[in-house]
Amino acid sequence: GQNIDQPTEMTATEGAIVQINCTYQTSGFNGLFWYQQHAGEAPTFLSYNVLDGLEEKGRFSSFLSRSKGYSYLLLKELQMKDSASYLCAVSDSNYQLIWGAGTKLIIKP
Amino acid sequence: ETGVTQTPRHLVMGMTNKKSLKCEQHLGHNAMYWYKQSAKKPLELMFVYSLEERVENNSVPSRFSPECPNSSHLFLHLHTLQPEDSALYLCASSQTRAGVDTQYFGPGTRLTVL
Repeated sequence: GQNIDQPTEMTATEGAIVQINCTYQTSGFNGLFWYQQHAGEAPTFLSYNVLDGLEEKGRFSSFLSRSKGYSYLLLKELQMKDSASYLCAVSDSNYQLIWGAGTKLIIKP
Repeated sequence: ETGVTQTPRHLVMGMTNKKSLKCEQHLGHNAMYWYKQSAKKPLELMFVYSLEERVENNSVPSRFSPECPNSSHLFLHLHTLQPEDSALYLCASSQTRAGVDTQYFGPGTRLTVL
């Protein structure tokens, strides 16, 4: 079957760096997405990786290793507003999105 | 604001009620989706419409009935729901239904079935 794994919850300190991992086992691969979802709000797009390597976008970076079925989202200089759930999703061979359950990130002062 | 609106934001209904959820996108997209989001579970894709034609139905119970009258509007009609249907229902849209297009989500409808 198809599966996306990510930690259920993580805690980090304001100003620090946190890495949220995502591993996947899917039938085929056509890219990996990261979305951010604040409580009670819509998920919003953060990044899309289809080639191996690191993509940097301000304080957020996303890394992909297709051979390992692995991605991570790196958040630097954490701010309280970064407290949210982070959703990993993979586009499979049929271009259907397979979603992880999300990682709830708690930022402490 | 993501360009996708949903109403109502909250809904409480009994098991014998009939209600409808509404979604509207202002992005000129050609694909629209209904998802169910339950606590600590992955997003569950319920329905996909592309150019107003339903292209996927992931074995959703018939008590959920979608309607897509045009490319900007999407409805989810609810009838004789069960308590386990209580969840956040999210609508999304994308340029095409290809899984490489970014999906833009509405804020969701929090549904409680008593």
